[in-house]
Amino acid sequence: AQRVTQPEKLLSVFKGAPVELKCNYSYSGSPELFWYVQYSRQRLQLLLRHISRESIKGFTADLNKGETSFHLKKPFAQEEDSAMYYCALSGSSGDKLTFGTGTRLAVRP
Amino acid sequence: DVKVTQSSRYLVKRTGEKVFLECVQDMDHENMFWYRQDPGLGLRLIYFSYDVKMKEKGDIPEGYSVSREKKERFSLILESASTNQTSMYLCASSVIAQGKLFFGSGTQLSVL
Repeated sequence: AQRVTQPEKLLSVFKGAPVELKCNYSYSGSPELFWYVQYSRQRLQLLLRHISRESIKGFTADLNKGETSFHLKKPFAQEEDSAMYYCALSGSSGDKLTFGTGTRLAVRP
Repeated sequence: DVKVTQSSRYLVKRTGEKVFLECVQDMDHENMFWYRQDPGLGLRLIYFSYDVKMKEKGDIPEGYSVSREKKERFSLILESASTNQTSMYLCASSVIAQGKLFFGSGTQLSVL
């Protein structure tokens, strides 16, 4: 069975502070990991995927297979980063995604 | 841009009613999904379809069924709505084996 754990329901930081949203997973094979984001009154959308090794809106995430983690990081938070963030995992089929419970990021001015 | 359209934004139904939630996508995606989104529980997969007339149960299929008669349309059916099915329902679509889901704007269902 595959599982995604996001231990923090809410993360509150000041503008300009570093951000790290935690994600741990459980999967016996080689997973593909994703971060999805939902801004206020917008649709849930893909932020980034580990296989692309890209930086989107200043966010990066590194897959650490030893620690089974895929934490999302940004060095300097902006107010527009305030949103709900979901970590997700897909198994070998690449189709069905299992989502975590989400972390709400609040960036204060 | 991929468009995933859910027919209703808000829906209020009574306990025991049969409820249909409709979803249409316009990008010829093979995969379609129904999730429910609840605070503190995240997104949970109800059903998944990888082709017309093909479906697979997700993590919480009890009390739900689905129909996919055409590639672009995926319907979620609550056979006899109950109060614990009050939730935000999200439809999504994707290309096979890509893992990038495109979501609809959601249907907030209240069962009274």
